[in-house]
Amino acid sequence: EAGVAQSPRYKIIEKRQSVAFWCNPISGHATLYWYQQILGQGPKLLIQFQNNGVVDDSQLPKDRFSAERLKGVDSTLKIQPAKLEDSAVYLCASSRGQFANTGELFFGEGSRLTVL
Amino acid sequence: GENVEQHPSTLSVQEGDSAVIKCTYSDSASNYFPWYKQELGKRPQLIIDIRSNVGEKKDQRIAVTLNKTAKHFSLHITETQPEDSAVYFCAASLNNDMRFGAGTRLTVKP
Repeated sequence: EAGVAQSPRYKIIEKRQSVAFWCNPISGHATLYWYQQILGQGPKLLIQFQNNGVVDDSQLPKDRFSAERLKGVDSTLKIQPAKLEDSAVYLCASSRGQFANTGELFFGEGSRLTVL
Repeated sequence: GENVEQHPSTLSVQEGDSAVIKCTYSDSASNYFPWYKQELGKRPQLIIDIRSNVGEKKDQRIAVTLNKTAKHFSLHITETQPEDSAVYFCAASLNNDMRFGAGTRLTVKP
């Protein structure tokens, strides 16, 4: 089966600019996650969708980050305006199960953001 | 929420030796503990997981042990090979709340 697809792979922007990342999960996976991975740290959950509904966005900085999953398939994560501390890899993952502890998360290759 | 600590942050072993990575978690209700391997520039991939009703699980050269009383779990890799070199992340989860450790960079020297 095809894996989780993400784009772009790399993005360099200046602070206060905006950026958007796209994710296409594995076909049939109802649950989609966006993680932020800062260099030297483990992935940190930003938002979790089940189908097109938000399950958990408690760690999403809502003043600058937004995400949507229209039609319960593809998802977009936006940052506006970007700050230097947003420099990180943004990982998208999907899973068959409803909950994160149901089973394996399948990760995409990530989108590396550098904010100058 | 859950807090996961992982040690050591870096680990270097000779090929053929064993490697052990340890994690502790804070929420005694957590019931799912996966381990992910992330090679340089690649996506994290699940290598083994364990649930709270099991104390140990083994898959070829990889094993995970769980001590619920002490709230810690460990990854054991035997007969290490150069291709085992990667960053390994532990995680602890209850329902939707999955928290990852900071990662261990394992280097296997030929």
